[in-house]
Amino acid sequence: AQTVTQSQPEMSVQEAETVTLSCTYDTSENNYYLFWYKQPPSRQMILVIRQEAYKQQNATENRFSVNFQKAAKSFSLKISDSQLGDTAMYFCASNTGTASKLTFGTGTRLQVTL
Amino acid sequence: DTGVSQDPRHKITKRGQNVTFRCDPISEHNRLYWYRQTLGQGPEFLTYFQNEAQLEKSRLLSDRFSAERPKGSFSTLEIQRTEQGDSAMYLCASSPRDRGYEQYFGPGTRLTVT
Repeated sequence: AQTVTQSQPEMSVQEAETVTLSCTYDTSENNYYLFWYKQPPSRQMILVIRQEAYKQQNATENRFSVNFQKAAKSFSLKISDSQLGDTAMYFCASNTGTASKLTFGTGTRLQVTL
Repeated sequence: DTGVSQDPRHKITKRGQNVTFRCDPISEHNRLYWYRQTLGQGPEFLTYFQNEAQLEKSRLLSDRFSAERPKGSFSTLEIQRTEQGDSAMYLCASSPRDRGYEQYFGPGTRLTVT
């Protein structure tokens, strides 16, 4: 079974600053994927970024990047140049590959302030 | 390309009543997932379809819950004899054939059982 842990229930960052959200996971699988999802107050879950476990290079999507530490089973999300629209719940999730259910953490509520 | 749609968006029902939710996945996505999200928690997996076949069900899916995807397109989730503990957001997600590890979520159906 997979587990995903997010130890930061809430975080706050000022606009234009950088913030890092933490996530650790546990799995016995060799082939797995890790994800960060964003859930704004409107509640629609949006895929932010994806990392394949077999890739050493950290994924990047515009202002979003991850720090994937496979040995430590750590998968943090860095948001650069934070914007007010980044205010949301952020969920770390994993699955064991194609056609597999997602296992989610409990989420981190991020508030971006002026 | 329209996203995943769910209907209704909100449902209020009295304890003991039956309810049915509908999910329309992204066109040509062959996999469809149902999750349940309670306040302050990450989504929890309920069940998964590949085309019309239901391939996995969670232990969370009691015998009061049933899901179908009769023609491999839209799916329905029915809850019989609702209980107050069924109050939650029910999320549907779909994934494409060529990137089965990625799931795209709908806006959810918020169920309140009074």
